[in-house]
Amino acid sequence: SQKIEQNSEALNIQEGKTATLTCNYTNYSPAYLQWYRQDPGRGPVFLLLIRENEKEKRKERLKVTFDTTLKQSLFHITASQPADSATYLCALDMGGSYIPTFGRGTSLIVHP
Amino acid sequence: DARVTQTPRDKVTEMGQEVTMRCQPILGHNTVFWYRQTMMQGLELLAYFRNRAPLDDSGMPKDRFSAEMPDATLATLKIQPSEPRDSAVYFCASGPGLDEQFFGPGTRLTVL
Repeated sequence: SQKIEQNSEALNIQEGKTATLTCNYTNYSPAYLQWYRQDPGRGPVFLLLIRENEKEKRKERLKVTFDTTLKQSLFHITASQPADSATYLCALDMGGSYIPTFGRGTSLIVHP
Repeated sequence: DARVTQTPRDKVTEMGQEVTMRCQPILGHNTVFWYRQTMMQGLELLAYFRNRAPLDDSGMPKDRFSAEMPDATLATLKIQPSEPRDSAVYFCASGPGLDEQFFGPGTRLTVL
């Protein structure tokens, strides 16, 4: 069956370091992949979209890579800050419908 | 600053009661989604509308759930009768297509 896998364990890093989060998927080649941020008690907030024909995309301190051979996306936050602490969700279309399916998310905790 | 609004923000009800959740999508967005989020299952798609037409409700329990868009400014999700296993946070999201979604603040539903 098709799956989206994000690390269920929280990622703890020190302020100023680069945080790297992983999104793996199986059995399908998505047309795109999205990353969202979710804070407790709030809805997810869209951050970035990367398409299947793109290797990398950047936005300010954020960088996303998309490796369709490895079936993996990496999400990087450089010069991380405590305010970056949140849960980060990846989403991709998993059946050709172009409708996004969400992973379970990974919690990031940035320590001052 | 355009936002998706949802009402009510919190709802506590007893098993067997009807629950109606409302969403006002961002003006001009042609896609509307209903999601359910729980600790166990994460964010699950319940229904998807494009230009007010329902295109995908495969994730929705048909016997008790229904979703409609009576007009472009209102989407509703109804549960009748509600059950304790329906307890979750329900999110509405809208978008200018599928490339990004703007989420509302969610309705936290507790069914006793």
